[in-house]
Amino acid sequence: SQQGEEDPQALSIQEGENATMNCSYKTSINNLQWYRQNSGRGLVHLILIRSNEREKHSGRLRVTLDTSKKSSSLLITASRAADTASYFCATDALIQGAQKLVFGQGTRLTINP
Amino acid sequence: DAGVIQSPRHEVTEMGQEVTLRCKPISGHNSLFWYRQTMMRGLELLIYFNNNVPIDDSGMPEDRFSAKMPNASFSTLKIQPSEPRDSAVYFCASSFIPEQFFGPGTRLTVL
Repeated sequence: SQQGEEDPQALSIQEGENATMNCSYKTSINNLQWYRQNSGRGLVHLILIRSNEREKHSGRLRVTLDTSKKSSSLLITASRAADTASYFCATDALIQGAQKLVFGQGTRLTINP
Repeated sequence: DAGVIQSPRHEVTEMGQEVTLRCKPISGHNSLFWYRQTMMRGLELLIYFNNNVPIDDSGMPEDRFSAKMPNASFSTLKIQPSEPRDSAVYFCASSFIPEQFFGPGTRLTVL
């Protein structure tokens, strides 16, 4: 079963507004990552937050992590049309002695001009 | 660096044919992942290599799928025989932990 679950599944907002996406997970993690996928392309790493961090910023991106609630949020401020994409959270999982990422189903974000 | 390279970018084949997908990871990365993405099932991890050794192949759907990594700069994912339900986008990603870098994907259509 997948570790991360994004919410909402789809989000449509006007350009300039802020977009917030949420991710919940089930087990303990070392870090949580957010990725973006433009249509027809591979995933691109956006930001990583470690389990001992509560908030992290990168440009217009702000990520929070609440390990007690096993949840994370990604905030994109002052959205642009180019932000239209699917956004995935990914948590690390130690399985059979090796580390891999488990991705959620993603949030499809549409920015309307 | 050119990033993760995958070939072919598109593949259309008929049911029963053998399909081979190729991946060249980023130089210096010691982990390589094969994923499959469909609308129904989302992004699924098929198999994972660390230092060219398969670590976790629990995501490989069945014996028709096989993957190899003969050296640090090349990996293949083979489907034999292919079936229409194998139609998907297949991604290769490489990593030096923790971030993964994805290739552009191979869009496979099995008729």
